[in-house]
Amino acid sequence: QVQLQESGPGLVKPSETLSLTCAVSGYSISSGYFWGWIRQPPGKGLEWIGSIYHSGSTYYNPSLKSRLTISVDTSKNQLSLKLSSVTAADTAVYYCARLQGFGDFWGQGTLVTVSS
Amino acid sequence: EIVMTQSPATLSVSPGERATLSCRASQSVSSNLAWYQQKPGQAPRLLMYGASTRATGIPARFSGSGSGTEFTLTISSLQSEDFAVYYCQQYNNWPPITFGQGTRLEIK
Repeated sequence: QVQLQESGPGLVKPSETLSLTCAVSGYSISSGYFWGWIRQPPGKGLEWIGSIYHSGSTYYNPSLKSRLTISVDTSKNQLSLKLSSVTAADTAVYYCARLQGFGDFWGQGTLVTVSS
Repeated sequence: EIVMTQSPATLSVSPGERATLSCRASQSVSSNLAWYQQKPGQAPRLLMYGASTRATGIPARFSGSGSGTEFTLTISSLQSEDFAVYYCQQYNNWPPITFGQGTRLEIK
């Protein structure tokens, strides 16, 4: 069974960089599939952030592209998210997921609050 | 960007009855449409993909239909555990992957 677990700071100051890691178990990232990040502001809907193929090719939401970096570390079987220059609008639960177009396996999510 | 619009925003249905949720795409997404169920404090759970294929472990009371721009998720006989928020998502033309705004299914 594929399992994903997000980790990272729960509080980030405005203008700083949000950094999260997603550890994958039960499947080797290097074996295939897209992997990605989705976020959900409190009480709101789902927003796709970006995806990365096992080879390292990345696809970003145009609305976040200028601030976003998604990477994979196949040796650790994990993916990472970095979002720079954050504001309160970036406060959300951040999920990582295996994305073969649709997301068939999701992490439990981690709440990141942007506040001074 | 393909805009996904779900209706209604909130649907009130009694247990045991049928629920029909709708999702419309701003342009054709062929059958590249997924449905998710989300309960409070939980991650979304994949219900359907390819518009009409149930994901692993999803009960047969869930069914999906449609293609192009109009899609429907039907729950044939609502159980207590089915009351949740449901999202549709297109993956035909990305980036970006886009989600509908959600339909809240509540107990009548």
